Amino acid sequence: AQSVTQPDIHITVSEGASLELRCNYSYGATPYLFWYVQSPGQGLQLLLKYFSGDTLVQGIKGFEAEFKRSQSSFNLRKPSVHWSDAAEYFCAVGWLRDDKIIFGKGTRLHILP
Amino acid sequence: EAGVTQFPSHSVIEKGQTVTLRCDPISGHDNLYWYRRVMGKEIKFLLHFVKESKQDESGMPNNRFLAERTGGTYSTLKVQPAELEDSGVYFCASSQSPGLFSYEQYFGPGTRLTVT
Repeated sequence: AQSVTQPDIHITVSEGASLELRCNYSYGATPYLFWYVQSPGQGLQLLLKYFSGDTLVQGIKGFEAEFKRSQSSFNLRKPSVHWSDAAEYFCAVGWLRDDKIIFGKGTRLHILP
Repeated sequence: EAGVTQFPSHSVIEKGQTVTLRCDPISGHDNLYWYRRVMGKEIKFLLHFVKESKQDESGMPNNRFLAERTGGTYSTLKVQPAELEDSGVYFCASSQSPGLFSYEQYFGPGTRLTVT
């Protein structure tokens, strides 16, 4: 069955530190990959997406993610986090001919001042 | 341009009552999706409309849930009768093309449903 795993439910980093949020998926075919963020009281906002091409994808707010086919991973990174990055982050996956998106359980990011 | 809007933002009802959630997609978006997040779990797909037609309703949990999309514009999701396990956040999303991967899905802020 198709699934998305975000192994970290909570992550705490200090402001200015680097960040990496992990995401793994299971399925044989090449997926379409997304990272969404939900800030308190807000809807889901798309940070970045990967459909094809360069496996290192740049997104909004200084985020990037790298697709590694051999590891079935799509980890999200940011070199220096800001207090405003505190939110919940969702990795999501879709496949051709299937319009639904499958989400991971989310990782809640806490920022220490 | 207005984004996806959902109403109400929060609803608290008693078990056995009926609740109707509304979603207004971005104007011109033919595709409308409903998702749900039960506390502590992942966001799960419920169903997908293309205009007024249900394209995929494989995620609807049971027949207490009824989704409609009148005239291919706004959509409603009715829960009747509500049960405790229906509590969660209901998200609506819309996208421009029939194919998901040409255009991204834009999500609304969600409706938090609490059944007591």
